[in-house]
Amino acid sequence: EAGVAQSPRYKIIEKRQSVAFWCNPISGHATLYWYQQILGQGPKLLIQFQNNGVVDDSQLPKDRFSAERLKGVDSTLKIQPAKLEDSAVYLCASSSYVRDRWSNEQFFGPGTRLTVL
Amino acid sequence: AQSVSQHNHHVILSEAASLELGCNYSYGGTVNLFWYVQYPGQHLQLLLKYFSGDPLVKGIKGFEAEFIKSKFSFNLRKPSVQWSDTAEYFCAAVNTGTASKLTFGTGTRLQVTL
Repeated sequence: EAGVAQSPRYKIIEKRQSVAFWCNPISGHATLYWYQQILGQGPKLLIQFQNNGVVDDSQLPKDRFSAERLKGVDSTLKIQPAKLEDSAVYLCASSSYVRDRWSNEQFFGPGTRLTVL
Repeated sequence: AQSVSQHNHHVILSEAASLELGCNYSYGGTVNLFWYVQYPGQHLQLLLKYFSGDPLVKGIKGFEAEFIKSKFSFNLRKPSVQWSDTAEYFCAAVNTGTASKLTFGTGTRLQVTL
């Protein structure tokens, strides 16, 4: 089966500009996640969707970050305006819902490496 | 707060040496535990996972991990590393009583020399 797709793979912008990332999860996966991975750190969850609803966005800097998952499939993550500290790899992941239990096994995409100058 | 700690930030081993990477979590209740690996230039891949049952789990490429509940640990092991094991390794945990909010450790960079 096809994996999680993300685009673009690389993006360089200047501070105060805006940027958007796209993610297409594995077919049939109800849950979609966006993570931020800063160099030297582990991935940090930004937002989690269950179908097209937000389950957890407690760590999303809502003054500048936004995300949506219209129709419960693809998702976009936007940063506006970007700051220097937003330089990171943005990872998308998806997981399935098995019976009455969350699968809890997440499959990751290749990520988008963002550099803010 | 839920957290995952990885004790070693950078490990250098010669080929054929044995490997053990430490991981501790600070969760109460039932947890699912994972080790992910990120090879140079590639995306995160699942190495192995523990959900329940036998606390010694075996993953791909000869890796295994042991869940010790009393120590809140889930250490990764491999008897004999290969040069191709050079990668970054991340331990992660999620509390099964809540929605799937996976928390990662900071990662361990493993460098295997010939």
